[in-house]
Amino acid sequence: DARVTQTPRHKVTEMGQEVTMRCQPILGHNTVFWYRQTMMQGLELLAYFRNRAPLDDSGMPKDRFSAEMPDATLATLKIQPSEPRDSAVYFCASGPLRAVANTEAFFGQGTRLTVV
Amino acid sequence: AQSVAQPEDQVNVAEGNPLTVKCTYSVSGNPYLFWYVQYPNRGLQFLLKYITGDNLVKGSYGFEAEFNKSQTSFHLKKPSALVSDSALYFCAVRVGDSGYALNFGKGTSLLVTP
Repeated sequence: DARVTQTPRHKVTEMGQEVTMRCQPILGHNTVFWYRQTMMQGLELLAYFRNRAPLDDSGMPKDRFSAEMPDATLATLKIQPSEPRDSAVYFCASGPLRAVANTEAFFGQGTRLTVV
Repeated sequence: AQSVAQPEDQVNVAEGNPLTVKCTYSVSGNPYLFWYVQYPNRGLQFLLKYITGDNLVKGSYGFEAEFNKSQTSFHLKKPSALVSDSALYFCAVRVGDSGYALNFGKGTSLLVTP
C-alpha cells in the first residue's frame, strides 16, 4: 500500500559530519514536509515543498540545514556540519496533488538521528 | 499565528472506560483541525479532521472529536478505551492561508491500563 519511505531509519554520526536524510513521498503527491521531533520542542515544521519548489523553510536553521527535491520522487534534508543538538527524529510527510486546506498529510516512519 | 495547546502531558484511563484527550486552538479565520496518533517508533497516523459542518467528527479506530467554537476546543474522545489505544496523540492546526503545513501541539501520552 502507498506510504512515505524514509531512509535511513537510524543514523549515528560524529559532530561535524554531514548527514543526509532521504524521503520518497507517496507516488503522485506533490507536497512534501519536513518535521523534527524532540522531547523538548515536540514537532517542529522545518520546511515544505510544493511541486519541488520550497514554499516555506523559515523553521530551518539556514546556516547548517538544507532541503531539496532533486525530483518528484526524492526529497533530501542535509545537515552540515552536524551538532549534538540536532539529535532528534526527523519526519517527512507528503500531501496529494489536489490538496486543499483540510487535506491531511501522510507521514513516514522517521529517521532517528543521534549526533555524538 | 495558528496554534493549538494540549494541556495534559499524560492521560491515564482504565480499559473499557471513556477517554478524552484535550485540545484548544487559537486561529484567525476558519479553523482546520486535525488529530494524529503516534505509536512507539512509528510515524504519525491521521485519525480525523474538522472541516466545517457537524461539530462531532468521526474518525479511525472508533475515535471521534467534538469541535466547540465557543470554547475553542477540539477534544478527542472514545467511548470505550482499549489497551492498544495507548500511544502519543497530537492535535494540529493548519498553518497560514497559502500553504497547508500543520502546527502540532506538544502531544498527550495516553495510557490505557487493563
